[in-house]
Order: sequence, then structure tokens, then C-alpha cells
Amino acid sequence: EAGVAQSPRYKIIEKRQSVAFWCNPISGHATLYWYQQILGQGPKLLIQFQNNGVVDDSQLPKDRFSAERLKGVDSTLKIQPAKLEDSAVYLCASSLGPASGNTIYFGEGSWLTVV
Amino acid sequence: QKEVEQDPGPLSVPEGAIVSLNCTYSNSAFQYFMWYRQYSRKGPELLMYTYSSGNKEDGRFTAQVDKSSKYISLFIRDSQPSDSATYLCAKKYGNKLVFGAGTILRVKS
Repeated sequence: EAGVAQSPRYKIIEKRQSVAFWCNPISGHATLYWYQQILGQGPKLLIQFQNNGVVDDSQLPKDRFSAERLKGVDSTLKIQPAKLEDSAVYLCASSLGPASGNTIYFGEGSWLTVV
Repeated sequence: QKEVEQDPGPLSVPEGAIVSLNCTYSNSAFQYFMWYRQYSRKGPELLMYTYSSGNKEDGRFTAQVDKSSKYISLFIRDSQPSDSATYLCAKKYGNKLVFGAGTILRVKS
């Protein structure tokens, strides 16, 4: 079974530029998550989708971050304009559904450096 | 107070040692507890999860939950250099997964 796919793996941009990350979840997984992991910290949830609807985006900096999940499968996370503090790993994850007992599987992450 | 507290380490042990990794948590809502392992430049992978208090074993790994003291632990027996990674504890309630900061473990051969 294929895992969660993410691209690009690495990206270096200058501050105030924009960047987009793509995620393809495990087939059949209705719930998709985007996490931000800053060096030395645990992952922090940015946004959660159930199919193509947003369940939780309370920690998403909406002035610069946006995400969509069209057709309830792939998802894109965009940052515009980027700030230095956005340097982090952006992890996409998916699960069968939102129930507590469902395992959340992570992709390998997209590493962003803002200079 | 953070929902999940974890000592970031690093923790350095010789090969073959027993490793103990610990977390404390707040908020006692119905929840699962999980341990993820994260190798350098990789995403987290689920090692173990448990709901109830007590121990759960899987090979060299044992997860322990003490709900009365809000303490969760991961023990690694006969540690190997390949166990060198960051270990993240997490609690999950409903659709929300909250992580600790992660403990860096280095097993020296």
C-alpha cells in the first residue's frame, strides 16, 4: 500500500515569496491533515479536512497560509508571503476517518527554508 | 501548561541498554496515547498506541500509561544503533492529535 506522498521534498525561498506544497493521501483516507514542525518541536496541526470540508483550521495563520482539498483527495498548502519564521517541515498526514482509534499516517514532509 | 510535556534530551545510551522515554499530559478527556518514531529527514511513523492504563508490549518496545498520574512511558529493551531517532509522544482525542516536543535518542555502538 502506497503511503502519503508529498512534494517538493525541499524548497528554499526568499522572504515575501510564495510557495506551494502538494499532498496525496493514502487511497481511501477521508481525513487529511497538514502539520507544521519547527526544528526541535513536535508537529503542530495547521488544518484538518474531512473529505473536502475543513474540520479544524484554528491554528492556520490565515493572513498568509491557505489550503484546499478539491475533490476530497489531493491537497495543496500555500504560503504567501513567506516569513523567516515559516522555515519548518510541512507534514501531510491522513487517516481513514476522524475517530480516535484511527491511525494517522504521515508523509516524509516538505522542508521549507525561508532566507 | 502544554497539553503534552516531553524532555527533549538528547539522551545518549550504549548499545544494549534499556531506554526509558517519558511524557506527562494534561486534560483527562477520553483519549488514546501514541508513540511515534521520527528518523532524521523523515516523517513520523507510528510505533505503538494504547488507550487503557497498564503496559502494552511489541517486541523490544513497551508502552506504559498511568492515567492516575497522567504519565506515559516508552521502554526500549536491548537498544540498537538503528533505534537512534526522535521519539514523539502524542495523545489523540476525537480527531485531534497533540504531540510533545520529542526526545532525541542516540544509541552508541
